Amino acid sequence: QVQLVESGGGVVQPGRSLRPSCVASGFTFTTYALHWVRQAPGKGLEWVAVISHDGSDKHYADSVRGRFTISRDNSMNTMYLQMNSLRAEDTAVYYCAISIAPTGDAFDIWGQGTMVTVSS
Amino acid sequence: EIVLTQSPATLSLSPGEGATLSCRASQSVNKYLAWYQQKPGQAPRLLIYDASHRAAGIPARFSGSGSGTDFTLTISSLEPEDFAVYYCQQRLNWPLTFGGGTKVEIK
Repeated sequence: QVQLVESGGGVVQPGRSLRPSCVASGFTFTTYALHWVRQAPGKGLEWVAVISHDGSDKHYADSVRGRFTISRDNSMNTMYLQMNSLRAEDTAVYYCAISIAPTGDAFDIWGQGTMVTVSS
Repeated sequence: EIVLTQSPATLSLSPGEGATLSCRASQSVNKYLAWYQQKPGQAPRLLIYDASHRAAGIPARFSGSGSGTDFTLTISSLEPEDFAVYYCQQRLNWPLTFGGGTKVEIK
């Protein structure tokens, strides 16, 4: 079945880097744009970034632009989020999400999330 | 950036009652608004896309309406499993944005 599995979260000091990943299965990976969405503890959802099906087009939230880089390896069915210059406010569960059904950029498939904690 | 404002922040209702949740956009998003349900410890679940289209497997008691800047999610008769947090999301422009959420709690 269609599945997204995130990994690579953890505890990191402010200013350091982390690169969570999202492995996909059960669908044709190269067909779909992929998104990261995050949720700080006890807070709402925040869209982070998107990468097009072939990696040629990317967009970012203002809060992460210039610090985070989204990428994908279509040969490995994997998406990444390179997170640099991390701040305490980046602490969140990071979800990968896609639209498999024809719902536009409304996400019908989500991963289980990976927790990123930025703390000294 | 398009700001989505959800109201009320909390809705206290009993099973069997109807619920009406509101989402207002700071500028028109045409019909490009989605609704999600999230339960504690779980990823969000898509309920409605493009304002009024139910996603696959979503019960008919969930319905969406609206266009432009004002949208409504209606739950016709609350089941015990419907008590959760609900978010709206626009997909008209980058960056995609979510509303702050409405918690539907048991009265």
